[in-house]
Amino acid sequence: DVKVTQSSRYLVKRTGEKVFLECVQDMDHENMFWYRQDPGLGLRLIYFSYDVKMKEKGDIPEGYSVSREKKERFSLILESASTNQTSMYLCASSLGGQFYGYTFGSGTRLTVV
Amino acid sequence: DQQVKQNSPSLSVQEGRISILNCDYTNSMFDYFLWYKKYPAEGPTFLISISSIKDKNEDGRFTVFLNKSAKHLSLHIVPSQPGDSAVYFCAASPNTDKLIFGTGTRLQVFP
Repeated sequence: DVKVTQSSRYLVKRTGEKVFLECVQDMDHENMFWYRQDPGLGLRLIYFSYDVKMKEKGDIPEGYSVSREKKERFSLILESASTNQTSMYLCASSLGGQFYGYTFGSGTRLTVV
Repeated sequence: DQQVKQNSPSLSVQEGRISILNCDYTNSMFDYFLWYKKYPAEGPTFLISISSIKDKNEDGRFTVFLNKSAKHLSLHIVPSQPGDSAVYFCAASPNTDKLIFGTGTRLQVFP
């Protein structure tokens, strides 16, 4: 069964900390994505990557960065966590091409205090 | 600006009846549309999709309708079951690998 695995289900971090959210897929997918889900705002795209070492900004990249050193791993980095980054973070991957859709991980619930 | 909108944040339907979830979009370049279902503490899972060359796609109890002139799509679930209770997201693609998601509709199916 194909999988997208996010390393943590729940995280609590302090304001100002540097936070790493890890995502690994085992499907040899080209594309990987990071979204955040907030009530009333749906899923908003933070960053995505079409290939190793490539990254593109999504709709809300401010305060975030990403790293993709290997095809299967896509990391989201909060350089200095703030309370408005408290959210559910969802990683997804896709084969490429719009007809394949995304496979999502189970999400990481991040709370910044 | 929200390019994909789900104007109903919640919907409550009796078991066995039809559930109709609606989605509107603004970008005429969108040519592929998908619905995802999300349970609490899980990631969204793909449900059904439709290309802009069609106006209807059916998969079991789920049917998606697309009205391009109105920039509107809807998901029909017949008959609704308690296990269908979840948040439903519509998503659209402008012939790229990137999906634009709506705000979601929480469906509750009660006995």
